This record gives sequence, C-alpha cells and structure tokens, in this order.
Amino acid sequence: EPEVTQTPSHQVTQMGQEVILRCVPISNHLYFYWYRQILGQKVEFLVSFYNNEISEKSEIFDDQFSVERPDGSNFTLKIRSTKLEDSAMYFCASSEGGGANSQYFGPGTRLTVL
Amino acid sequence: AQSVAQPEDQVNVAEGNPLTVKCTYSVSGNPYLFWYVQYPNRGLQFLLKYITGDNLVKGSYGFEAEFNKSQTSFHLKKPSALVSDSALYFCAVRDPLADKLIFGTGTRLQVFP
Repeated sequence: EPEVTQTPSHQVTQMGQEVILRCVPISNHLYFYWYRQILGQKVEFLVSFYNNEISEKSEIFDDQFSVERPDGSNFTLKIRSTKLEDSAMYFCASSEGGGANSQYFGPGTRLTVL
Repeated sequence: AQSVAQPEDQVNVAEGNPLTVKCTYSVSGNPYLFWYVQYPNRGLQFLLKYITGDNLVKGSYGFEAEFNKSQTSFHLKKPSALVSDSALYFCAVRDPLADKLIFGTGTRLQVFP
C-alpha cells in the first residue's frame, strides 16, 4: 500500500540554524500539507499546497517558513532561522483531492531545537 | 470558528468490552469528520470518515463511528476492544472554508488484558 514517507525521522539543530524537512507524498496525490504537533499538544495545521502554490496557511506559518515541491516528487518544509519553540513533530500529509478526500500522513520528523 | 472537542483525555477499557471514544464538533455547514489513530512513535493513521449518507460509518480494524447531527457528535466505537487498540485517537473536522483539518486534543485509549 502506498504511503507518505518523511526524512529525517529526527533532526537536532541549534537555534538560528536553517532546517529542511523532506516528504515524499503518495504518487498520484495532488494536495500536500504540513502539520505540527508540539509535545503533549494537539496536531496543528501549518500549510496546504496545490498546483505549485500555497492554498492556505495558518498564523503559525510566518516568514520563517517556506514550502517547495522542487522536483515533482519531494515536498519540503524549510524553517530559515529556527527558534526553541519550533521544537515539535512535523507531519506531512497528502490527498488525491481537497474537500472530502482523506489526508494520509507520514510518520513525522521530530525536530529538536537546542 | 470550526472546532472539535474530545472531552476525555483517557479512556480505559478491558479487553473484549465495547469501547467508545467521544467527539463533538462545531462547524458551519455540513461537516466532514474524520478519525485518526496514532501509535507510539508513529504518524497518524486514517481510520474512517463521515461525509454524507448513512450515519454509521465503518472503518479500519473493526472501528466504526456514529454521526449524530442533533448532538453534533461523532463518537468512535468498537464492539470488542483489543489490547493492540491502545493508542492515541484524534477526531478531526475538515474546515469547509479552507483546505485543512482541525484536530481535537486527542484521547488516549488504554485497553487492559
């Protein structure tokens, strides 16, 4: 069964450094998402991406964040200058379509900012 | 604003007994409702969804959920719990005005042998 994959599984970085989290969505999916889950808290939406552009973003997704689909298979989340409060589990998700279509999640990348 | 509430932080049930994990929602328009499960150190796995039609929807691993419009609820159920069902369960609603899921705070299900 096809699944969303994410790399790395765990990323440790120093505050102020740039990180890139990578995701490979399910191959025939057209909608892509990033969510995050701070330890012990609920899953929060960050951004949705369709047709090579951001379709929706939350207030969390400020100028320090960016997303890209560089090569037609990978979907990346970049944080330019990490802060301590960026420490969280980051989940990538994809779906065939918007609306009622189910979003399928990857296993997550645990980001630790020191 | 769209929201989802999971009133129980934890639900404990004995193996073989029926289980219910509660979820209520607040959304304008017709809701698209989802349940996901998260096992330790794993991502979110899709269990089931309600879009329209029959109020009782069946999903993976023997789980089902009942949509109740008058009570704005979408409780997750299973007739006979297994120890392996122990995990964190999230209810989510699709924001009808935006392409995103809004999650509840999660309920930890503990099934005892």
